[in-house]
Amino acid sequence: GAVVSQHPSWVICKSGTSVKIECRSLDFQATTMFWYRQFPKQSLMLMATSNEGSKATYEQGVEKDKFLINHASLTLSTLTVTSAHPEDSSFYICSAGDLIGQFFGPGTRLTVL
Amino acid sequence: QKEVEQNSGPLSVPEGAIASLNCTYSDRGSQSFFWYRQYSGKSPELIMFIYSNGDKEDGRFTAQLNKASQYVSLLIRDSQPSDSATYLCAVYSGGGADGLTFGKGTHLIIQP
Repeated sequence: GAVVSQHPSWVICKSGTSVKIECRSLDFQATTMFWYRQFPKQSLMLMATSNEGSKATYEQGVEKDKFLINHASLTLSTLTVTSAHPEDSSFYICSAGDLIGQFFGPGTRLTVL
Repeated sequence: QKEVEQNSGPLSVPEGAIASLNCTYSDRGSQSFFWYRQYSGKSPELIMFIYSNGDKEDGRFTAQLNKASQYVSLLIRDSQPSDSATYLCAVYSGGGADGLTFGKGTHLIIQP
């Protein structure tokens, strides 16, 4: 299957700082990537759909000014959590797809102190 | 609104038995169906996909699809403790850049 990488795998930051998470499709081009968030013992929640060369589409209730998404190339999408607060602490996972399905990156665990 | 329903479990199965995971979906126009496995603290891993009615087998895993009943299942034969995980059902209904619609997952426990 397709390979999707994420960086960093974990990050700890102070409240009020911004954190950037990168998602890369390593062996295929992805015009669309997806960003999910998962709190402990809860299901995946789609945050936004990242579209190469255009604005991201955000799910209801997700603040687009807080979660900035940039999809500048066919292999890279970034999610920036701006002015992070402890309630933003979560497991952030990106995915990208090819003909046989969506493949997930390994996830980024964000802890905001 | 597209919905995918799964029993959250936990589903407890003895080692060596068959684990049966079920999923129903609301969009009759759904085209593709996927099963993901997620271990605690890890991201989901694609294990099976199915497009056509009937059964699809891959090793110990069998996916079953019944579009008329809007039902998809995953059977795990000879269950192993390492199969203990949350299994997510996902459905693709087309629409170009649309993502998958995920169920909330079934927590499977294989008892040694």
